[in-house]
Amino acid sequence: AQTVTQSQPEMSVQEAETVTLSCTYDTSENNYYLFWYKQPPSRQMILVIRQEAYKQQNATENRFSVNFQKAAKSFSLKISDSQLGDTAMYFCAFMKPFSNSGNTPLVFGKGTRLSVIA
Amino acid sequence: NAGVTQTPKFQVLKTGQSMTLQCAQDMNHNSMYWYRQDPGMGLRLIYYSASEGTTDKGEVPNGYNVSRLNKREFSLRLESAAPSQTSVYFCASSAASGGQYEQYFGPGTRLTVT
Repeated sequence: AQTVTQSQPEMSVQEAETVTLSCTYDTSENNYYLFWYKQPPSRQMILVIRQEAYKQQNATENRFSVNFQKAAKSFSLKISDSQLGDTAMYFCAFMKPFSNSGNTPLVFGKGTRLSVIA
Repeated sequence: NAGVTQTPKFQVLKTGQSMTLQCAQDMNHNSMYWYRQDPGMGLRLIYYSASEGTTDKGEVPNGYNVSRLNKREFSLRLESAAPSQTSVYFCASSAASGGQYEQYFGPGTRLTVT
């Protein structure tokens, strides 16, 4: 079974600074997908960024980027120019490739609570 | 498009009562999921439906049943609620074609069992 580990339960960063959230995972699959989801106090789950394991290039979405190290099974999220609105829980998630019948479920880490301080 | 909708948003039950959480999506997605979120535990899969007509157990299925009513709707039923089922419940859906695989989540249902 796949497992996802987020070793930092809580982190804080000053506004406009850069912060990196860590995530490691365990799998025997060669092809898979990785995600970072953001959960603000509103409780809504918001997709931040995704990475396909077969792509060597790290994904980037505006101020958010990942460092995907497939051999090390590491998938960290970097937030640049942190903003107060980035304050949220961040979840790392893993998904196996979908089957003929449909997509497979996500396996989540326990989350990292990020506070952005003015 | 409303995306993924869940009803109710909040619910308080007494031990032993039953209830059904409703979920619907209007994105024509094949796959639907139910997760629960507990403090310090992340989200854990209860049941999922890879496609209409199929359902499978997840990590924490005990005490729950599901019905994939049609392609749009996927309900979660608690037959006899227990305090251990106090949690926030999320429904999600995803396409299974065209390279679209990310999951879209509903707003969640906060359930308290006393």
